[in-house]
Amino acid sequence: GIQVEQSPPDLILQEGANSTLRCNFSDSVNNLQWFHQNPWGQLINLFYIPSGTKQNGRLSATTVATERYSLLYISSSQTTDSGVYFCAVADSSASKIIFGSGTRLSIRP
Amino acid sequence: NAGVTQTPKFQVLKTGQSMTLQCAQDMNHNSMYWYRQDPGMGLRLIYYSASEGTTDKGEVPNGYNVSRLNKREFSLRLESAAPSQTSVYFCASSERGGGVSNQPQHFGDGTRLSIL
Repeated sequence: GIQVEQSPPDLILQEGANSTLRCNFSDSVNNLQWFHQNPWGQLINLFYIPSGTKQNGRLSATTVATERYSLLYISSSQTTDSGVYFCAVADSSASKIIFGSGTRLSIRP
Repeated sequence: NAGVTQTPKFQVLKTGQSMTLQCAQDMNHNSMYWYRQDPGMGLRLIYYSASEGTTDKGEVPNGYNVSRLNKREFSLRLESAAPSQTSVYFCASSERGGGVSNQPQHFGDGTRLSIL
């Protein structure tokens, strides 16, 4: 089945710094989503981005489906950005959703 | 503006007990999902319902049953709880079916379940 790998596994930054999180996947996918799990465990859908680039405030995401990766950019990090960021893909038959193991982001004040 | 509501938020069971986790969404979504999240891991799909009246197995269905009661509600049942089912359970919904999801998913706040 599809393998989803996220990097880095952990990232510690000072407030105001920029960061890039990466999601690699091993096969063609039907869709790709980025989620933020905050320290209280809530999962928030950030982007639905099977291809192309999207932006929402300080966050943006790019998926290059032909090269099987997606990037999540966070600019001017704030402490509220802390948490775990997951990418999730659906395989080409749309029969399974596979989550990566996440990137744990800690923003220090 | 509730979105996806899960009940209960916390539950402790003894091995062998049964229980049902409830999930309801008010966004008129067609598709609903149940996931489990174990410590330090991503989510794994247990079951999903692409549309009212249909259910399908996900990655880890053993030990669980589901019911899509109507368009709003999707319940997950543990018939005989085991310690390996200790986890955080998330329900999610999305706008359209056609497989697991071709639309953004929206999650509930989770149910923390401990099996002793």
